[in-house]
Amino acid sequence: RKEVEQDPGPFNVPEGATVAFNCTYSNSASQSFFWYRQDCRKEPKLLMSVYSSGNEDGRFTAQLNRASQYISLLIRDSKLSDSATYLCAKGTYGNNRLAFGKGNQVVVIP
Amino acid sequence: NAGVTQTPKFRILKIGQSMTLQCTQDMNHNYMYWYRQDPGMGLKLIYYSVGAGITDKGEVPNGYNVSRSTTEDFPLRLELAAPSQTSVYFCASSYSPVLAVNGELFFGEGSRLTVL
Repeated sequence: RKEVEQDPGPFNVPEGATVAFNCTYSNSASQSFFWYRQDCRKEPKLLMSVYSSGNEDGRFTAQLNRASQYISLLIRDSKLSDSATYLCAKGTYGNNRLAFGKGNQVVVIP
Repeated sequence: NAGVTQTPKFRILKIGQSMTLQCTQDMNHNYMYWYRQDPGMGLKLIYYSVGAGITDKGEVPNGYNVSRSTTEDFPLRLELAAPSQTSVYFCASSYSPVLAVNGELFFGEGSRLTVL
């Protein structure tokens, strides 16, 4: 089983709507999680960390469910500029590397 | 700020040719990484380095070599190019020895390589 798995989509979202997607992971011991955003033909950039208590940054909310081994990202009031691929990443304490999922492609439709 | 700079941005190689992808960062980061990204796929780690003179294999190292003679530079070498190495290559760096805490990798703009 891959370390992190995502359903690539695409997720077609009407402008102004809410979209949410998950990333499942294996082996939950001593790990941390992050969401990266990657625009078309660009490099990934860190969007936000995922804390056990959840994390909100404006219209974006990230949550961690350790019991079911997944993290989620919710985007409220979607904007056209939110169109991108959202990659989940997993870090393991004591291991200076990140493992990335395939990404969830979001397309916001006018 | 230049950040992480990769060259070339685009390259077409013939099967069996060799080349080096250059990566340099001006942020004095100790940790540097090479990932490849195939269409519709996530990032796969090729090699990484935790400091000058130290390199380690990632999950897909076969067909590649790296060196880290300085803190700034982390070149990736393809010795005998194969079509399976057609991909987008990203170099990244991190200032934190505890990457798992802040998760922030700084990526270069990528190098698109096609092997025909």
